[in-house]
Amino acid sequence: SQKIEQNSEALNIQEGKTATLTCNYTNYSPAYLQWYRQDPGRGPVFLLLIRENEKEKRKERLKVTFDTTLKQSLFHITASQPADSATYLCALPASNDYKLSFGAGTTVTVRA
Amino acid sequence: NAGVTQTPKFQVLKTGQSMTLQCAQDMNHEYMSWYRQDPGMGLRLIHYSVGAGITDQGEVPNGYNVSRSTTEDFPLRLLSAAPSQTSVYFCASSFKSNQPQHFGDGTRLSIL
Repeated sequence: SQKIEQNSEALNIQEGKTATLTCNYTNYSPAYLQWYRQDPGRGPVFLLLIRENEKEKRKERLKVTFDTTLKQSLFHITASQPADSATYLCALPASNDYKLSFGAGTTVTVRA
Repeated sequence: NAGVTQTPKFQVLKTGQSMTLQCAQDMNHEYMSWYRQDPGMGLRLIHYSVGAGITDQGEVPNGYNVSRSTTEDFPLRLLSAAPSQTSVYFCASSFKSNQPQHFGDGTRLSIL
């Protein structure tokens, strides 16, 4: 099965700085990778999906990269704001495309 | 739009009791799934369904049953609750398994 590792430590950054989160996976390379945001007491909310043939994807202040050689995705939050404080999860399909596996998440705290 | 609705939001059970966690979606999604989320372990897939009448096991199916008699509903049954099943349970849905998942806000279940 796919093993997914995200930044193990919580990330604390100053408002206005860029937060960079990593998602590393083992075994086979997935056809796509997704990123979600989760606030305390709520379910995850989808942010971005990047496919294996895409190097980079952007949405407003968010940017995702996908390096299939390194088996890694980077998630960037530029010009961070306190409202960006949350836990961010990466997800990718397991060997069976019907099964989505999630990383444990990285908690980001943005200080004003 | 209601999206994905989970009930109840909170539940306390005694060991050996049974119960059903309800999940309903109003987006006509074919794919539905159940996850459990435990501290430091991320979301783990319990069962999933690719359409009415079709279900399959995920990563941690033991102790749980599901059925999918309609497109809208995907209940999760605990047959004989155990303390190890104390967790937060999330239901999710999407048009297809390889598309962004829409999550409910979870059921917080404690087994005493």
